[in-house]
Amino acid sequence: NAGVTQTPKFRVLKTGQSMTLLCAQDMNHEYMYWYRQDPGMGLRLIHYSVGEGTTAKGEVPDGYNVSRLKKQNFLLGLESAAPSQTSVYFCASSYPSGVLAKNIQYFGAGTRLSVL
Amino acid sequence: GQQLNQSPQSMFIQEGEDVSMNCTSSSIFNTWLWYKQDPGEGPVLLIALYKAGELTSNGRLTAQFGITRKDSFLNISASIPSDVGIYFCAGLISNFGNEKLTFGTGTRLTIIP
Repeated sequence: NAGVTQTPKFRVLKTGQSMTLLCAQDMNHEYMYWYRQDPGMGLRLIHYSVGEGTTAKGEVPDGYNVSRLKKQNFLLGLESAAPSQTSVYFCASSYPSGVLAKNIQYFGAGTRLSVL
Repeated sequence: GQQLNQSPQSMFIQEGEDVSMNCTSSSIFNTWLWYKQDPGEGPVLLIALYKAGELTSNGRLTAQFGITRKDSFLNISASIPSDVGIYFCAGLISNFGNEKLTFGTGTRLTIIP
């Protein structure tokens, strides 16, 4: 069972470079999320999507863009990377809350990004 | 935004000891979740709580949803080496189309040989 798959697992960028992180889920989940994790900060929500073609800002959206062109994929883009974006990025997916689904978020293994 | 205060930040225990950690919030939630994160991996769900006062067990783990809906605790009994990791609480307010988790800052559990 693949679940939530993130690519790449590691990446080093120079300041000002751009890149896209890919998240793919095979559980037919409606909702997808991007978080960043920094030491002592827990996970903070960057952007999320409640369905194909929709995106919304989370707690820390600045410097990031996202797209959800297909239900199973959620892309996180950095147009001009900055050292402050050095972090571990996690993608998650879930069903919306309901009698059966209960909005349990399933996480990928993470992408470790360093911006020099 | 909402913040969850999770304590303790770290714990150093011996194998076989019981562990207790908790989360408190200034806001109410209608779902509390507890996740565990192993090194180099994403968080994995341990226990989900959906009703105030609910007490739920998963093997050696027990968690409770506080009556005020502003707190939750997680207990681990008879700890074993594979319990090492970071434990996160997370609270959820479920409004359709606006369902976001707020995470605590984590409790790092270390087992001393």
